[in-house]
Amino acid sequence: QVQLVQSGAEMKKPGSSVKVSCKASGGTFSSHTINWVRQAPGQGLEWMGRIIPIFDTANYAQKFQGRVTISADESTSTAYMEMSSLRSEDTAVYYCVKAGRGVRGSSFYYYMDVWGKGTTVIVSS
Amino acid sequence: DIQMTQSPSSLSASVGDRVTITCRASQTISNDLNWYQQKPGKAPNLLIYAASSLQSGVPSRFSGSGSGTDFTLTISSLQPEDFATYYCQQSYSPLWTFGQGTKVEFK
Repeated sequence: QVQLVQSGAEMKKPGSSVKVSCKASGGTFSSHTINWVRQAPGQGLEWMGRIIPIFDTANYAQKFQGRVTISADESTSTAYMEMSSLRSEDTAVYYCVKAGRGVRGSSFYYYMDVWGKGTTVIVSS
Repeated sequence: DIQMTQSPSSLSASVGDRVTITCRASQTISNDLNWYQQKPGKAPNLLIYAASSLQSGVPSRFSGSGSGTDFTLTISSLQPEDFATYYCQQSYSPLWTFGQGTKVEFK
């Protein structure tokens, strides 16, 4: 069973950047899609984007396009989420999440089934 | 982006109650709809995928239904450990989106 271990909490200044890591163990990293989801204090879940390491392709929610870069290093089974031009509204817990696939009949369905514990990023002057 | 709208935003219930949460998509999403439970300070946990398939290890009191644009999550008999926030999420579009959440509180 894949486990995801995230890097530690970060305190950043407005306008700076942060890079959060997510190391996978116990599975075949390259074949899994890794998503990033964030949750601001007291708020809901927000899907940010994903990467498929074997293809080295990433997709982003429109809101984060251009400010977030999701990458992966297959040699270390680690995914990364880098966010630039940080502002106070980016204060949140950032989760990396493995996508799973289920089958019913002849159809495939995708969901998020293995979550990291989250990385708290605080943006404050 | 596909917008997901949950109702209610919060509800109060007692142990043993039947609880229903609704999720509506801004366009048809077939049955590409997942439900998650989140407890305070914890990462979410997958309950239901493909609108009605129970994730392994999830109690059978949880069930999901719906297709197209309208979906429901039902807890047949609320247990103390079910007080949490529930989120729907669509996986129909390549750009996934969540509902805003429904908090189930103790009455």
